[in-house]
Amino acid sequence: QQQVKQSPQSLIVQKGGIPIINCAYENTAFDYFPWYQQFPGKGPALLIAIRPDVSEKKEGRFTISFNKSAKQFSLHIMDSQPGDSATYFCAASMQGDKIIFGKGTRLHILP
Amino acid sequence: KAGVTQTPRYLIKTRGQQVTLSCSPISGHRSVSWYQQTPGQGLQFLFEYFSETQRNKGNFPGRFSGRQFSNSRSEMNVSTLELGDSALYLCASSLYAGTFTDTQYFGPGTRLTVL
Repeated sequence: QQQVKQSPQSLIVQKGGIPIINCAYENTAFDYFPWYQQFPGKGPALLIAIRPDVSEKKEGRFTISFNKSAKQFSLHIMDSQPGDSATYFCAASMQGDKIIFGKGTRLHILP
Repeated sequence: KAGVTQTPRYLIKTRGQQVTLSCSPISGHRSVSWYQQTPGQGLQFLFEYFSETQRNKGNFPGRFSGRQFSNSRSEMNVSTLELGDSALYLCASSLYAGTFTDTQYFGPGTRLTVL
């Protein structure tokens, strides 16, 4: 019930394509869903986050789609660039007291 | 503004030893959280400190402990090291407690290797 399942583990996309990373959760008590981006040798950085009362949130080229009934959320990267190559983590938080991360997706954008 | 700093960046220890890692948050941030990152388990929350008090704790054994000082700097200690403790230990700071609903800023991590 505390897990966040993330897929795929790795993804290769041509430049300009739209990589999509999916996450699923079980516990309906989760109320905050952030995505983090991590480059090699660096700590994760918050990319974008959403709450369950919103079905979509867009920030620049990054969009989160949220399906509350299916308990799923996904990250879309529009017009992907080689500089977007990184590991992406979804996460779910419960009332600010606990955070659970997905296992991560290693994304590679081909030039 | 300086980011989150962690020292040391790399550490090699042997089984049974103990280790202390340090984290200096962004100036003005009062919340510090610690995470363990391994290839197998991914990113896992260890604990959060706010105003020198442990506010939350993840599912780790008592060998993992921490503290926060009045200047918000934090230390994490692992006693009786095991091989499985080899990991990247990340610290993150934020302005407020309940960390995850506010922007957290991560440090670069301390890479601990246990031999």
